[in-house]
Amino acid sequence: QKEVEQDPGPLSVPEGAIVSLNCTYSNSAFQYFMWYRQYSRKGPELLMYTYSSGNKEDGRFTAQVDKSSKYISLFIRDSQPSDSATYLCAMSLYSSASKIIFGSGTRLSIRP
Amino acid sequence: GAVVSQHPSWVICKSGTSVKIECRSLDFQATTMFWYRQFPKQSLMLMATSNEGSKATYEQGVEKDKFLINHASLTLSTLTVTSAHPEDSSFYICSARVLLAALETQYFGPGTRLLVL
Repeated sequence: QKEVEQDPGPLSVPEGAIVSLNCTYSNSAFQYFMWYRQYSRKGPELLMYTYSSGNKEDGRFTAQVDKSSKYISLFIRDSQPSDSATYLCAMSLYSSASKIIFGSGTRLSIRP
Repeated sequence: GAVVSQHPSWVICKSGTSVKIECRSLDFQATTMFWYRQFPKQSLMLMATSNEGSKATYEQGVEKDKFLINHASLTLSTLTVTSAHPEDSSFYICSARVLLAALETQYFGPGTRLLVL
């Protein structure tokens, strides 16, 4: 069993839709949870960062962590074609500056 | 914001040759850098943690004699793929540990695509 499971997609939604991306994990010791966005042939870019359970909102993006279910989500409101990318969930035991375990990424396409 | 660059952005080489990839922190000093490998449609896998002035720490299953890492300065880490073979073809990405706005995190470089013929 992988430590982090993520549906690879692809996921295609119309512009303006709400997008929901999810990951599950097996190691209950993870404390730091991150979402990265990766455009084709580029390095990942940190989008959201949360510690422990709860919600965090940043503009059109909301990250949710449910440690009891070992489940994390990223919601994108009012999706734009420029949001088309691969979204990677990631988690760490100590901080986002230490060893990060990545999900396999979900490829998202926003149709104009 | 913190900027990490990689050079070259892509490289094609013959089997058996060695390839060096550079990772630079452009506007900050990085005592710790990380090297990842990403195969098509797969996730990033950490290969090693590189600390300035000391030996790199390799993840289980990564051959340290094949993937030589040197972190000789606070702004440069290099990864050398020695005697490269077609199965080493992959996307290699580095990151640097950085402290921004009281948050310690990693900033990633743009990646280097390696194709071994």
